[in-house]
Amino acid sequence: KNQVEQSPQSLIILEGKNCTLQCNYTVSPFSNLRWYKQDTGRGPVSLTIMTFSENTKSNGRYTATLDADTKQSSLHITASQLSDSASYICVVSDRGSTLGRLYFGRGTQLTVWP
Amino acid sequence: EADIYQTPRYLVIGTGKKITLECSQTMGHDKMYWYQQDPGMELHLIHYSYGVNSTEKGDLSSESTVSRIRTEHFPLTLESARPSHTSQYLCASSDQGGNYGYTFGSGTRLTVV
Repeated sequence: KNQVEQSPQSLIILEGKNCTLQCNYTVSPFSNLRWYKQDTGRGPVSLTIMTFSENTKSNGRYTATLDADTKQSSLHITASQLSDSASYICVVSDRGSTLGRLYFGRGTQLTVWP
Repeated sequence: EADIYQTPRYLVIGTGKKITLECSQTMGHDKMYWYQQDPGMELHLIHYSYGVNSTEKGDLSSESTVSRIRTEHFPLTLESARPSHTSQYLCASSDQGGNYGYTFGSGTRLTVV
């Protein structure tokens, strides 16, 4: 069964600190992996997208890594800011259908305290 | 700046009413999607469309219906709203490949009382 598991479920850090969020998946055949940021009551906004051949991608203070062999990804946030408080969702796409099916994790709820 | 627009942002409506959630995109994407998301839970696909006059049901059974008469417009309709329909509804669109340009709207928070 294709699944995406994220950890931790929630995380509280102090402003200025770094943190790393984890994503494990069993989706096969793999096409790409995306990280989204979703503010409360808003739609998800794309942070990074990585294909099979990419093992790291950065977007400002966000750096995503991908190990396609172990089917693991991480999102590292550097020098956190209050505006980083949000849910971070890992999404994996398969190659098995024309739809480019997306499998969603439940997200990690990050809270940054001043 | 958003290229995919959903209205209304919030809607509180009584049981039995008919409602239509609007979704429009200006990117010329052929593929459009509707997702349902409950708090703390993952998104579930309820409808999708490959193009004009093409609509399919997604993974999660839904009593809603959709139409795709124009490329840019993908409205979702509930003929008779019930409290169990209370949720956040997210519209998305993607390019033909679906690998890039997968963009979400801001969502409609629906509450049925």
